[in-house]
Amino acid sequence: DQQVKQNSPSLSVQEGRISILNCDYTNSMFDYFLWYKKYPAEGPTFLISISSIKDKNEDGRFTVFLNKSAKHLSLHIVPSQPGDSAVYFCAASAGRDDKIIFGKGTRLHILP
Amino acid sequence: DSGVTQTPKHLITATGQRVTLRCSPRSGDLSVYWYQQSLDQGLQFLIQYYNGEERAKGNILERFSAQQFPDLHSELNLSSLELGDSALYFCASSDQLAGELFFGEGSRLTVL
Repeated sequence: DQQVKQNSPSLSVQEGRISILNCDYTNSMFDYFLWYKKYPAEGPTFLISISSIKDKNEDGRFTVFLNKSAKHLSLHIVPSQPGDSAVYFCAASAGRDDKIIFGKGTRLHILP
Repeated sequence: DSGVTQTPKHLITATGQRVTLRCSPRSGDLSVYWYQQSLDQGLQFLIQYYNGEERAKGNILERFSAQQFPDLHSELNLSSLELGDSALYFCASSDQLAGELFFGEGSRLTVL
């Protein structure tokens, strides 16, 4: 049972445009959400997080939006840069002391 | 460099064998997590330890076991290996029970 779903295995975006990565979750107990980025031959690295008390969190070019009623979150990258080409994982936990469940990831290709 | 060290980086072994993967968390981190990434799969949560105690269990097979030692390093033992156990095994650590995880570079296990 996939509690965190990233339905797009891959996404291609032109450099300079906005990249939007989507994530859906099924567990209504999830209240803390994270995005991780992974380059080949490296471990995932933390990108940005959001608590369920917020609906938006920004960090530079990265913004995460949370829609609790739809059990949906998205990561916006503006503007997209070549170095953003990577696999992005959405993750969630039911409280800050619970295990973190990851989605299958979306491979983002930034086109020149 | 996340500060999390995993050894070995690569391991090739035969079916039926047993291997041990080792993880040294970031200095001061009490939580250690193990994840498995198989082809086309996301990061599957295996098990979490906090300060030497098992905290949460995921989809970890009975053939697999783990422990966290007093010096906080952790080992994941995989026995009676099958072809399907071939995967990347990631260790992550955190200074909290959950929250932002710092991942190692992973141990790639190939079972022939």
